[in-house]
Amino acid sequence: DADVTQTPRNRITKTGKRIMLECSQTKGHDRMYWYRQDPGLGLRLIYYSFDVKDINKGEISDGYSVSRQAQAKFSLSLESAIPNQTALYFCATSDLGFEQYFGPGTRLTVT
Amino acid sequence: QKEVEQNSGPLSVPEGAIASLNCTYSDRGSQSFFWYRQYSGKSPELIMSIYSNGDKEDGRFTAQLNKASQYVSLLIRDSQPSDSATYLCAVTVDSNYQLIWGAGTKLIIKP
Repeated sequence: DADVTQTPRNRITKTGKRIMLECSQTKGHDRMYWYRQDPGLGLRLIYYSFDVKDINKGEISDGYSVSRQAQAKFSLSLESAIPNQTALYFCATSDLGFEQYFGPGTRLTVT
Repeated sequence: QKEVEQNSGPLSVPEGAIASLNCTYSDRGSQSFFWYRQYSGKSPELIMSIYSNGDKEDGRFTAQLNKASQYVSLLIRDSQPSDSATYLCAVTVDSNYQLIWGAGTKLIIKP
């Protein structure tokens, strides 16, 4: 089984809808991250969490919110989706070091 | 603005040759450096990490770090078609364990 899983893997939604992306991990890592990737722009950090009670905004948090339900679960929500949030979204985890391990990604399309 | 720069490519290399990928970074305080490989539509996969000046070898891969010149490189020896992918450089910034990512270099290995 994969160490970091993401659901759904693909999602098409309409402008204005609320959507939640979920991430679960079995690596036992305390730190979890949400990134989005757009062609030619690389990975950009949306939110990160060092433990259940510690959540921090990343580079591009506007329009997004997160919830850390447990050590192993970290969810990303788009409160009111807009077309420029169409992207590939990745969840990642790390331990006390800096090496990050990624889930398979969610391809989100907002029409 | 702390930045990580990579040539977007594509870099075309004959099979069996050495592929050389380069990355420069702006933050002199960066301490940890990573190379990730990303196949099209897939998630980034960690292939090398380097923390000290000099070379670090792992199989066909060698990472080279020069902190004085603020660059890190990745050499792939005996390049194979399966090495064709986008290679992402990531660098830590300050003490909050965030990574700053380059936009990636697309590598094509020609049989």
